[in-house]
Order: sequence, then C-alpha cells, then structure tokens
Amino acid sequence: GAVVSQHPSWVICKSGTSVKIECRSLDFQATTMFWYRQFPKQSLMLMATSNEGSKATYEQGVEKDKFLINHASLTLSTLTVTSAHPEDSSFYICSARDLSVGPNSPLHFGNGTRLTVT
Amino acid sequence: LAKTTQPISMDSYEGQEVNITCSHNNIATNDYITWYQQFPSQGPRFIIQGYKTKVTNEVASLFIPADRKSSTLSLPRVSLSDTAVYYCLVGEGSSNTGKLIFGQGTTLQVKP
Repeated sequence: GAVVSQHPSWVICKSGTSVKIECRSLDFQATTMFWYRQFPKQSLMLMATSNEGSKATYEQGVEKDKFLINHASLTLSTLTVTSAHPEDSSFYICSARDLSVGPNSPLHFGNGTRLTVT
Repeated sequence: LAKTTQPISMDSYEGQEVNITCSHNNIATNDYITWYQQFPSQGPRFIIQGYKTKVTNEVASLFIPADRKSSTLSLPRVSLSDTAVYYCLVGEGSSNTGKLIFGQGTTLQVKP
C-alpha cells in the first residue's frame, strides 16, 4: 500500500531556531499533501494544504510566515517551523493520497514528527 | 465539510465485538466515510472506507444506513492491542485537494 514517510521522527531545538520536517510519498506521486498538528490528548488539527509547484493553502489562524511549506516535487513536501518557540512544541503529521489506485482513495499518514522546543 | 460526532470514549473487554457509531448529519452527496485508528505518538492508520451499505475488510466492517447520516465501525473480537483512538472522517476523497477535518475521535479502552 501507499507509504508516507516523515523525517525526522523527533527533534529537539532551541527557542529561536528553525526546524525543517520532510514528508515523502515513497511509492506514489502526490500533487497535494496535508500537514496536521496534534497536541497531547487532542485531535489532529489541519494546518495547511501543500500544493506541488504552487503556494500552500493555510487554514484560518495558522501563520504562513511561521510555518513555511514547500512542495518542490511530486514526492516531497517540507514544513519549516521558523523561529520556534516552546508553544510550537507539538506532534506534526503529514498525509497524502495515492490517486493512481482510483478515485476516493484514502489519506495515508506519516508517522509524525515530535518537535520539542526548549 | 461535514462535521462528525462520536462518543468520546468506550470500554470493552477482550474478545468482544465493539461498535463505534459516528454521526454526520450534513454529509454531502460526494462524501465518503473513512475511519482511522491512532496509537500514541503515531500517525493515524487507515482502517476502512465506504460510501453506502456495508463494507468489510480483514480488520473491520463499516455499516452505513440508507440516509448516510451516520455510520458504525464494527471491530470483531477486540484484543488489548486494539486500544487506540478511532476517528471517523467525512470528505470528498475523489478530489486531490479534498482535505479531511478530524473530529474528537473515540478513545477505545480494551480490558483483559
């Protein structure tokens, strides 16, 4: 089945630094990927839709200058948390669909990246 | 996007059948219903997806009534390893840009 890989699985950084998280579709191409954030004991919150070759679409309340998204190829999207602060500490998860298997294919999720900002 | 409502938590015992119902009154004609399972510190894992009637795979069954305003995920003979959060999502999967919004999910606790 379709596999979505995230890297790193966890990262610790100092306040004020930037962190880049990669999301790859390993065996399919994805013109669209989705980035979610999840705080402890809460549900996933959609942050933005990453579009290959164009600008990302951000959900209301998500700062686009804070969370930079780049989708430069059909298999890679990156999320960069700029000038990270402790409140950015969270679990970040990406997802994508493999539409080559047919319409209405489900979203496949990466295993997430645990970001801790000290 | 259609909003979903699920019970916050459920308890069960090993070997029992568990049914989790999700309400989605505003489901649109093109929307599919998809269920995911999530363990702590992992990304959600696809369980099953359906549009109407009944769908069954190797791990679960999904029952969808004719009006499609609700759906029930059925897990046969659960084990301790089925303890997880289960999410019901409704959205247009056929669209490449079809985003899915997560509801609160149902935390299933399976006891020995």
